[in-house]
Amino acid sequence: ETGVTQTPRHLVMGMTNKKSLKCEQHLGHNAMYWYKQSAKKPLELMFVYSLEERVENNSVPSRFSPECPNSSHLFLHLHTLQPEDSALYLCASSQELLSTEAFFGQGTRLTVV
Amino acid sequence: GQNIDQPTEMTATEGAIVQINCTYQTSGFNGLFWYQQHAGEAPTFLSYNVLDGLEEKGRFSSFLSRSKGYSYLLLKELQMKDSASYLCAVRSEDTDKLIFGTGTRLQVFP
Repeated sequence: ETGVTQTPRHLVMGMTNKKSLKCEQHLGHNAMYWYKQSAKKPLELMFVYSLEERVENNSVPSRFSPECPNSSHLFLHLHTLQPEDSALYLCASSQELLSTEAFFGQGTRLTVV
Repeated sequence: GQNIDQPTEMTATEGAIVQINCTYQTSGFNGLFWYQQHAGEAPTFLSYNVLDGLEEKGRFSSFLSRSKGYSYLLLKELQMKDSASYLCAVRSEDTDKLIFGTGTRLQVFP
């Protein structure tokens, strides 16, 4: 248990669906991140939020839309995804942006059919 | 360009010592991290090196040589529960972003 909770753990969606991934941390951290982990590929940073403001958008397609309503919650809204978007989506948080330790959630395993 | 290289898979025997290497080429350097990830679970932080040398933490140690762009994670007295993927990541000085390697899947056999 890392203190970062992601829901759902598994999600299957069609290419025309709209769904949202949720991440929650009550560690008092100020920075939150979305990562994508595909098979046999490195973890890819998607978005970074610091104090609820987006500070990094790593050339992610617009079909992925993040939202950070407060410092404890982070969402990833999904729409019109492609099969190649199937992956494990990991949320992480850290005390500050440049903290040496980040805490990861267990991820949402997304399958796009 | 940015590149992190580590072996894809390694195997070792319970009670043995294993060294997982990581080499990197990044635009600037602001720290190297090792994470452990068991199958289906969250990556968990193991170590952080920003200066050259060895950092020891129980059965795990991490070494860094900045001039060689090289790090290793040393696991001693291996246990079955050490079977996991080990992710090497470098923080780029230019962007402060964490760049991850593909991970090394370690299997420990009895």
